[in-house]
Amino acid sequence: DSGVTQTPKHLITATGQRVTLRCSPRSGDLSVYWYQQSLDQGLQFLIQYYNGEERAKGNILERFSAQQFPDLHSELNLSSLELGDSALYFCASSVDGTGRYEQFFGPGTRLTVL
Amino acid sequence: GENVEQHPSTLSVQEGDSAVIKCTYSDSASNYFPWYKQELGKRPQLIIDIRSNVGEKKDQRIAVTLNKTAKHFSLHITETQPEDSAVYFCAASRRTGRRALTFGSGTRLQVQP
Repeated sequence: DSGVTQTPKHLITATGQRVTLRCSPRSGDLSVYWYQQSLDQGLQFLIQYYNGEERAKGNILERFSAQQFPDLHSELNLSSLELGDSALYFCASSVDGTGRYEQFFGPGTRLTVL
Repeated sequence: GENVEQHPSTLSVQEGDSAVIKCTYSDSASNYFPWYKQELGKRPQLIIDIRSNVGEKKDQRIAVTLNKTAKHFSLHITETQPEDSAVYFCAASRRTGRRALTFGSGTRLQVQP
């Protein structure tokens, strides 16, 4: 167990819908990273938040957004869903301090868009 | 941006043999290289990492080597066991600035009993 939690574990929805994925980082970790894992694209970085502020953006679609709250949990919002958005979505947390770079992954949310 | 290439995509070994997985990276500013193990349907699990000021690091049956000049790093697993069967991912990032991980495409390791 990495100490990172994600809910829900599974999500099945229809095209055009909107969903919210939630992540709670390990105690003491300030950074949350979101990654998407699909069969054809592998593991890809979407977005990072550090202590409530957006720090870096990767291959995140405009239909997707995220935020990090004062208690450091983070939510990833996916809207106008398409079939191709079906994937495993992981968050990872990190201290991101001096000498501390390790990222620990949560169990993931499996999103199926029908 | 960073690009990480990983080989081979599949690897089958006999129990007790060694396994080697290789990665190359493109961004000379990358200086942190973790390896993750992912079992089917589970989260990627950090198994070992290496920083650019170190050439080799060992942890029991697992070792990682780094050649900064050639921009490649490798994972070595000795005395493989059936429970080592999984998909292994290499990754690269910077220790300052952008710290997001860029992953290789993964290696499916099968250890035959």
